[in-house]
Amino acid sequence: DGGITQSPKYLFRKEGQNVTLSCEQNLNHDAMYWYRQDPGQGLRLIYYSQIVNDFQKGDIAEGYSVSREKKESFPLTVTSAQKNPTAFYLCASTAQGAWQPQHFGDGTRLSIL
Amino acid sequence: DQQVKQNSPSLSVQEGRISILNCDYTNSMFDYFLWYKKYPAEGPTFLISISSIKDKNEDGRFTVFLNKSAKHLSLHIVPSQPGDSAVYFCAALGGSQGNLIFGKGTKLSVKP
Repeated sequence: DGGITQSPKYLFRKEGQNVTLSCEQNLNHDAMYWYRQDPGQGLRLIYYSQIVNDFQKGDIAEGYSVSREKKESFPLTVTSAQKNPTAFYLCASTAQGAWQPQHFGDGTRLSIL
Repeated sequence: DQQVKQNSPSLSVQEGRISILNCDYTNSMFDYFLWYKKYPAEGPTFLISISSIKDKNEDGRFTVFLNKSAKHLSLHIVPSQPGDSAVYFCAALGGSQGNLIFGKGTKLSVKP
């Protein structure tokens, strides 16, 4: 069954700690994306990657880092530099070609203790 | 500045009636639009899309209309069902690398 798996579903972090959110897809999609959703807000793009070993900053990349060592994996690290990390984080992927919809995982909710 | 706007944060509709969700955009270069449905604590699910070469796309109970001159699109759900209750996001393909730009969403409640 193809899809996008995000883990864990809920994550708690102490202030000053870095934390990594996992995103794995078995859809053979080339492009992967990380979004952040806050209450009453749309999805805002953090980072995206079109191919392995390459990624680009989105609109709100400060305080985050990513890697893309494998096609199926695109982990997101929320660093201690991110001033307001409490949010719902969504990973997405899309196939190559014009007008392909992005498919999303079920998200990770990050909370600061 | 918001490039994709959903001006109604919420909408309540009776079961069996039509739901109309609206979306406005500011950039005339956008050429592909999508609607996503989202339940709490889950990822958005792709519903339906439309390219700028069309003005209507239909899929079962869901129809999306595009008015390019007004930079406006709408999602019609007919008939509405209680299971349609969710947050609906409008998105435009706008970034140079195929990025989606999302509106803030409209929460639809369909009452039995």
